[in-house]
Amino acid sequence: SQKIEQNSEALNIQEGKTATLTCNYTNYSPAYLQWYRQDPGRGPVFLLLIRENEKEKRKERLKVTFDTTLKQSLFHITASQPADSATYLCALGKDSARQLTFGSGTQLTVLP
Amino acid sequence: EPEVTQTPSHQVTQMGQEVILRCVPISNHLYFYWYRQILGQKVEFLVSFYNNEISEKSEIFDDQFSVERPDGSNFTLKIRSTKLEDSAMYFCASSAKGVRETQYFGPGTRLLVL
Repeated sequence: SQKIEQNSEALNIQEGKTATLTCNYTNYSPAYLQWYRQDPGRGPVFLLLIRENEKEKRKERLKVTFDTTLKQSLFHITASQPADSATYLCALGKDSARQLTFGSGTQLTVLP
Repeated sequence: EPEVTQTPSHQVTQMGQEVILRCVPISNHLYFYWYRQILGQKVEFLVSFYNNEISEKSEIFDDQFSVERPDGSNFTLKIRSTKLEDSAMYFCASSAKGVRETQYFGPGTRLLVL
């Protein structure tokens, strides 16, 4: 069965450093991968989408990479701030279907 | 900025009762979804809806669940006879034609079944 794993349940880093979150998947061939931010008790907020034929995408302090050979995406937040503290979810999708399949998330805490 | 809205924010119900969760998707979006998240677990897909019909549903979305777009703005999820295990956060999402991969989520309805 398909499986999506995010590197760790929790990640603590110092303010100003780069946070790197990992999303690995097996038994799945996604057409695209998305990263969402989720704050406690709130809905996921879309951050970035990367398609299978793209290696890297950037948006302000965010960068995502997608390696379909390794079946892995890396999500980077540079110059991290305490306001970046949240749970980050990766979600995979296919063009033939509309549903997103989510990972369990990584809870990021940026320490001042 | 347009947002998906959901009502109520919290709902408490007795086991066996019917509940209706309401959503107003972003106005020019054409694809609508329901997901749920049991406390401490993953966000799970329930159903997608396009052109006034269900386009996909998961195994979770059994005969106890139904969806409806009763008018041009609302999208509802009905659970006919709630069970304890239906307690979860329910999220509505919508996406636009041409960019349907990007789904915009509402704030959720927290459902507690006693």
